[in-house]
Amino acid sequence: EVQLAESGGGVVQPGGSLRLSCAASGFTFDRHWMNWVRQVPGKGLVWVSHINGDESGTNYADFVKGRFTISRDNAKNTLYLQMNSLRPEDTAVYYCARRDSVTTLGFDIWGQGTMVTVSS
Amino acid sequence: SYELTQSLSVSVALGQTARITCGGNNIGTKNVHWYQQKPGQAPVLVIYRDNNRPSGIPERFSGSNSGNTATLTISRAQAGDEADYYCQVWDSSTALFGGGTKLTVL
Repeated sequence: EVQLAESGGGVVQPGGSLRLSCAASGFTFDRHWMNWVRQVPGKGLVWVSHINGDESGTNYADFVKGRFTISRDNAKNTLYLQMNSLRPEDTAVYYCARRDSVTTLGFDIWGQGTMVTVSS
Repeated sequence: SYELTQSLSVSVALGQTARITCGGNNIGTKNVHWYQQKPGQAPVLVIYRDNNRPSGIPERFSGSNSGNTATLTISRAQAGDEADYYCQVWDSSTALFGGGTKLTVL
């Protein structure tokens, strides 16, 4: 079964760090761009970052540039998001999502999300 | 920067047709994707590249895209279609989502 499973969320103080992981299974991981999308409870979806299959290309939303780093380990079929200098406004559910690079070009597979709370 | 505009809410009577729009400057030149999100669940891709349905999505879901407006159409609306719907495009290597439309089935 094709699936993504996030982990690593939790409560952290402002200025702190957290690393999210997303374990992929059921598909050829290194063929797809992977993304992080976040959602404040009750609000809309907001794209955070993506990384291409061979890690040669990454991009970030302006509001996380310089603070967050996306990476992947294709040998472990795992996507990461290192989040530093966290702010209360980073509080959200973080989803990893696969961008199908072959057919749909959309985010066709999503994880269940992991909650990050930034609070003192 | 590019922006996508969606109505906050749309209501439709059971069995009727709902239309959810997504506005953007010359959005007709972009590939638009639509996602359905039910409370407490992750989003699900329901339309890709303007008017294509992934496997498992009912034929009642369709899409169109022209000019400055993309539209998601849900025919014969069912109670189970109640959800938030988001449009999404790529612009300058950045993914953009519309603000989302809450569909209520009456």
